[in-house]
Amino acid sequence: DIQMTQSPSSLSASVGDRVTITCRASQGISNSLAWYQQKPGKAPKLLLYAASSLQSGVPSRFSGSGSGTDYTLTISNLQPEDFAAYWCQQYYTTPLTFGGGTKVEVK
Amino acid sequence: QITLKESGPTLVKPTQTLTLTCTFSGFSLSSNGAGVGWIRQPPGKALEWLALIYWDDIKRYSPSLKSRLTITKDTSKNLVVLIMTNMDPVDTATYYCVHRAQTALIDYWGQGTLVTVSS
Repeated sequence: DIQMTQSPSSLSASVGDRVTITCRASQGISNSLAWYQQKPGKAPKLLLYAASSLQSGVPSRFSGSGSGTDYTLTISNLQPEDFAAYWCQQYYTTPLTFGGGTKVEVK
Repeated sequence: QITLKESGPTLVKPTQTLTLTCTFSGFSLSSNGAGVGWIRQPPGKALEWLALIYWDDIKRYSPSLKSRLTITKDTSKNLVVLIMTNMDPVDTATYYCVHRAQTALIDYWGQGTLVTVSS
């Protein structure tokens, strides 16, 4: 199985901040990496796929980068609606695996 | 527009078998590359992939749960069924049905259904 290590597990930030979340795979995943946002009581929502491609309708303040085993989600100019949990997931192979999640909280 | 919706019991007893149904629209599970899967999330915890069924009826399961899971599809009715045997309180979770795109990306999720395992 490919293990996904996501960090940090939580962070505190303010509106307008730039936030960075990282995800490391235990082996190369050829950019087959997705990022999801999840709000309480809701299903995860796809933000980015193929490591850096923005899903339709997702604000451009969300961006992704990385290659090989290391990937990053960046939220620039954090907005009130961005306080949520974020998950990375590799879809390079089954079993599909997720990172442990990052909760972005209000500072 | 792709939509998926989960249905099934909200409460099951330990040792019982759980049967969840995913009813979907907006795509055909006979289309090359398509797939439907299940992912669960215990309260306050991480997401865990369970199973996938592909357009060609190939099935993939989580290695740790493989002995307890069965996934099937009815293409004509646009539904997928997940069966999980020998339920335990640790299986208490929200179970999500998801769409797998041709690129292998999980791009659409159902709203989820909370299943509680308790006597």
